[in-house]
Amino acid sequence: GAVVSQHPSRVICKSGTSVKIECRSLDFQATTMFWYRQFPKQSLMLMATSNEGSKATYEQGVEKDKFLINHASLTLSTLTVTSAHPEDSSFYICSAMVGYGLFFGSGTQLSVL
Amino acid sequence: GENVEQHPSTLSVQEGDSAVIKCTYSDSASNYFPWYKQELGKRPQLIIDIRSNVGEKKDQRIAVTLNKTAKHFSLHITETQPEDSAVYFCAAPHSGGGADGLTFGKGTHLIIQP
Repeated sequence: GAVVSQHPSRVICKSGTSVKIECRSLDFQATTMFWYRQFPKQSLMLMATSNEGSKATYEQGVEKDKFLINHASLTLSTLTVTSAHPEDSSFYICSAMVGYGLFFGSGTQLSVL
Repeated sequence: GENVEQHPSTLSVQEGDSAVIKCTYSDSASNYFPWYKQELGKRPQLIIDIRSNVGEKKDQRIAVTLNKTAKHFSLHITETQPEDSAVYFCAAPHSGGGADGLTFGKGTHLIIQP
């Protein structure tokens, strides 16, 4: 299947700092990527849809000023968690659709102290 | 948007027995139904999917059935093995047509007892 690369895999940061997560499509071009968040023992919740060359679309309840998304090329989308707080600690995972299939990056475990 | 319900939340079966996980969806326009397997700390992996123009699809020990009228679909795993232990998620298009990503069920923790 399609390969989606995500970095870093794990981040530990102090409260108030910003964290940037990168998501790359390695063997295909992705005009659209999706960012999900997963809390322990819970499901994947769609946060936002990242669109190449235009603004991201955020799901209800997700603060666009806190979770900045940039999709500057057909192979790279970034998610920046600004002024992170302990409640932002979660597993963040990006994905891209190829045909009907949704393929995931390896995820980023964010821990905010 | 789509609403996906998944049951059970936990399923424990003896090795070699079959396991069935069920999901329902709300949007009658949805036309694609994948199942993902997620091991602890890892990314979800697509294991099987079905389009709405068929009622059943099988891949070795895994099968998926779809009832469009009732808006439900199920995952069937036969001859379960220890490596089948994981969390399984069903999903449906976030907004019917599929271009807006997927909405996931809450997941089923499948435990294979030796």
